[in-house]
Amino acid sequence: TQLLEQSPQFLSIQEGENLTVYCNSSSVFSSLQWYRQEPGEGPVLLVTVVTGGEVKKLKRLTFQFGDARKDSSLHITAAQPGDTGLYLCAGGGKLQFGAGTQVVVTP
Amino acid sequence: GAVVSQHPSWVICKSGTSVKIECRSLDFQATTMFWYRQFPKQSLMLMATSNEGSKATYEQGVEKDKFLINHASLTLSTLTVTSAHPEDSSFYICSAGLAGRTDTQYFGPGTRLTVL
Repeated sequence: TQLLEQSPQFLSIQEGENLTVYCNSSSVFSSLQWYRQEPGEGPVLLVTVVTGGEVKKLKRLTFQFGDARKDSSLHITAAQPGDTGLYLCAGGGKLQFGAGTQVVVTP
Repeated sequence: GAVVSQHPSWVICKSGTSVKIECRSLDFQATTMFWYRQFPKQSLMLMATSNEGSKATYEQGVEKDKFLINHASLTLSTLTVTSAHPEDSSFYICSAGLAGRTDTQYFGPGTRLTVL
């Protein structure tokens, strides 16, 4: 089983601040996905990273895939209250999930 | 595109009864669907892989006789929680991937099951 470790588990910041969430593994992944989940809803796919060293941007969100394809990060610039949610990384053929990072952005 | 629906969105049942949850891919065909369980403030735990036209593959520790999965068509998979007990109360989520791709999954909105 390929394990994904996310850090931090919880992040509370003020509106306008930046934040970074990490997803690490000792295994190599052919791709990693990032999802955001809000209470009572299913996860929503944000991005899939495939190539080592790849950087993808989605408005204020920047996703990076490590050169060795063992880790990934999500950086949010100038966070807004609408960014509040549970951020999950996932990978592997059976799509194993990390434990998630709960992000809370207060006005 | 790539919309997955679940029904019901929430259900409350008495202990000992069975509950069926449906997962549908609305605008694409899915030969494989996945069922997850999520406890409050925790991540998703894969329960089983549902394969169209064949038996589901269950993850270690998941009772196949407790959680019956049927994937009768390319757009529908069902999860039946048999003889439900309060400890089965959870948020159940299904997902489906585009044909030939399991690395990108589209998730349903989830079903909240409460067993009294």
